[in-house]
Amino acid sequence: EIVLTQSPGTLSLSPGDRATLSCRASQSISSSFLAWYQQKPGQAPRLLIYGASSRATGIPDRFSGSGSGTDFTLTISRLEPEDFAVYYCQQFGSSPLFTFGPGTKVDIK
Amino acid sequence: EVQLVQSGPEVKKPGESLKISCKGSGYTFPSYWIGWVRQMPGKGLEWMGIIYPGDSDTRYSPSFEGQVTISADKSNSIAYLQWRSLKASDTAIYYCARHISSRWYDNYHFYGMDVWGQGTTVTVSS
Repeated sequence: EIVLTQSPGTLSLSPGDRATLSCRASQSISSSFLAWYQQKPGQAPRLLIYGASSRATGIPDRFSGSGSGTDFTLTISRLEPEDFAVYYCQQFGSSPLFTFGPGTKVDIK
Repeated sequence: EVQLVQSGPEVKKPGESLKISCKGSGYTFPSYWIGWVRQMPGKGLEWMGIIYPGDSDTRYSPSFEGQVTISADKSNSIAYLQWRSLKASDTAIYYCARHISSRWYDNYHFYGMDVWGQGTTVTVSS
């Protein structure tokens, strides 16, 4: 089983700040198989990034993904008020157990 | 518009059975893998399993195999998640989600879940 670890657990920032979220895998995975989601309270998750760096349809370009091997990063270049949420990474490299990370909460400082 | 619409909230007693549904529209339902994700109260996301409605090929996370049954009715564009005997620990929100995939010979690769249902709240309590 591939275990994903996300850090930090909580990120306290202000609108306009840059957010850098980390996702580390317990073993190497192809960058094709790493996705990021955003979840706001009371809502279903929303796909932001797939293939480690490809933005999903309709996702603003302030969201970007990078990384390879075991270390992946989601960057939000300038936080907008609607970006304060929980962010999850997920791997698809180990079928049929497509694990999620525990999440990083981005809250308002 | 591509969307997945899930059935409504359920309140059940331990030991009862349950089947919840997820109806797809706006796309060719049989041609996309549909999966289920659990979110227990105040917790993170857990991937449960997927089904390809076109041929009912089904794959389960080891954590959920034997605990639930995933099925699909491709003619009516509906996927299902079923329990034979609910436990209090099954209390959660369950999401269905369409998977992005590609086929390479007999293997599928998966890349993300791009369309999500609104979630079904299941409460199991005596």
